[in-house]
Amino acid sequence: SQQGEEDPQALSIQEGENATMNCSYKTSINNLQWYRQNSGRGLVHLILIRSNEREKHSGRLRVTLDTSKKSSSLLITASRAADTASYFCATDNFYGNNRLAFGKGNQVVVIP
Amino acid sequence: DGGITQSPKYLFRKEGQNVTLSCEQNLNHDAMYWYRQDPGQGLRLIYYSQIVNDFQKGDIAEGYSVSREKKESFPLTVTSAQKNPTAFYLCASGAGVSYEQYFGPGTRLTVT
Repeated sequence: SQQGEEDPQALSIQEGENATMNCSYKTSINNLQWYRQNSGRGLVHLILIRSNEREKHSGRLRVTLDTSKKSSSLLITASRAADTASYFCATDNFYGNNRLAFGKGNQVVVIP
Repeated sequence: DGGITQSPKYLFRKEGQNVTLSCEQNLNHDAMYWYRQDPGQGLRLIYYSQIVNDFQKGDIAEGYSVSREKKESFPLTVTSAQKNPTAFYLCASGAGVSYEQYFGPGTRLTVT
């Protein structure tokens, strides 16, 4: 079963707007990761946030983590058409094994 | 897609045939993973290996087999016992669960 669940699952925005997507998880984690997948391609790692961190930035990406609510958000600022993709969160320590559990993904469409 | 390759990109097989998907990495990573992706279901873990000559079942291992004879290689065999093998298969490698995973470009398998 998937631990991470992204919300909303589909988002359509105009170029230049911000896009926010959320992820919730059920058990304690060591870290949470976000990945991007362009259609028909492999996933690309975006950012990793550890359980003792609350916020992390990378370029136009901002990730927050609230371990008390077991949730994370990914914000993409000033979106571009090239940001059109699916975005997945992934958490570790789900079964206590050395593996990640991926959510079902958020599809983001940025309209030029 | 970094230093991890999958071949072929598209694969077609008749029902009842076994088929082996290739995954090779030159990143010197100890851990390797196989995921299956179906539309709307995100990534599901099939098998993973943390070290050469060792591997563990994931969530959906039935009908699949793997080997890890070399650090660089983690081939996946889809056997005739897999009831619904048509899917997009992704291989990944990483330094461990607390680190990012690097994904290959994927193999789209169609069984008719």
